[in-house]
Amino acid sequence: NAGVTQTPKFQVLKTGQSMTLQCAQDMNHNSMYWYRQDPGMGLRLIYYSASEGTTDKGEVPNGYNVSRLNKREFSLRLESAAPSQTSVYFCASSEAGGTEAFFGQGTRLTVV
Amino acid sequence: QKEVEQNSGPLSVPEGAIASLNCTYSDRGSQSFFWYRQYSGKSPELIMFIYSNGDKEDGRFTAQLNKASQYVSLLIRDSQPSDSATYLCAVSGGGYNFNKFYFGSGTKLNVKP
Repeated sequence: NAGVTQTPKFQVLKTGQSMTLQCAQDMNHNSMYWYRQDPGMGLRLIYYSASEGTTDKGEVPNGYNVSRLNKREFSLRLESAAPSQTSVYFCASSEAGGTEAFFGQGTRLTVV
Repeated sequence: QKEVEQNSGPLSVPEGAIASLNCTYSDRGSQSFFWYRQYSGKSPELIMFIYSNGDKEDGRFTAQLNKASQYVSLLIRDSQPSDSATYLCAVSGGGYNFNKFYFGSGTKLNVKP
């Protein structure tokens, strides 16, 4: 049982480059989330999707876009990467809003 | 004001002792509360969730919720060195924000053999 799978695990980008982080869950969950984690800052919500076909901004959405491709997949796109986006990115899913969330293994992104 | 506040620690306890981790939250409408454990370089893993006032026990772990005081705690009995990790408190938003989870910055726990 894979749970939540993120790709890639590691990535180095140059300032201005774009990339998409992929996330897929096999738990038939309705809600999916993207977080970033920086030292001393905890997890901050970037975007979330309460259900297939909907997306909403979280606490720190600037510089990011998302797509809920289908019920299983939720991608995060950086259009023009900046050093401030260097972070560890986690995707998570939950059965519904307010229920426990399960996390992927994370993507460590460095922007130089 | 942050939505969820935790003491960053580190909290050091000897093996076999009780570790007490605390969390306060600001949104009075929050209904769901979670504790996650995160080992260095790993992703958060769910330990417990609690929805109602009072205590909830699961093995060596007890979650306590006091909505009137906007306070959540996690007690770890018979602490083991393998419990050494960062513990994250998470709270669902209230009202229209119920789909959002807000995390504290975490408390680092060290259990000394």
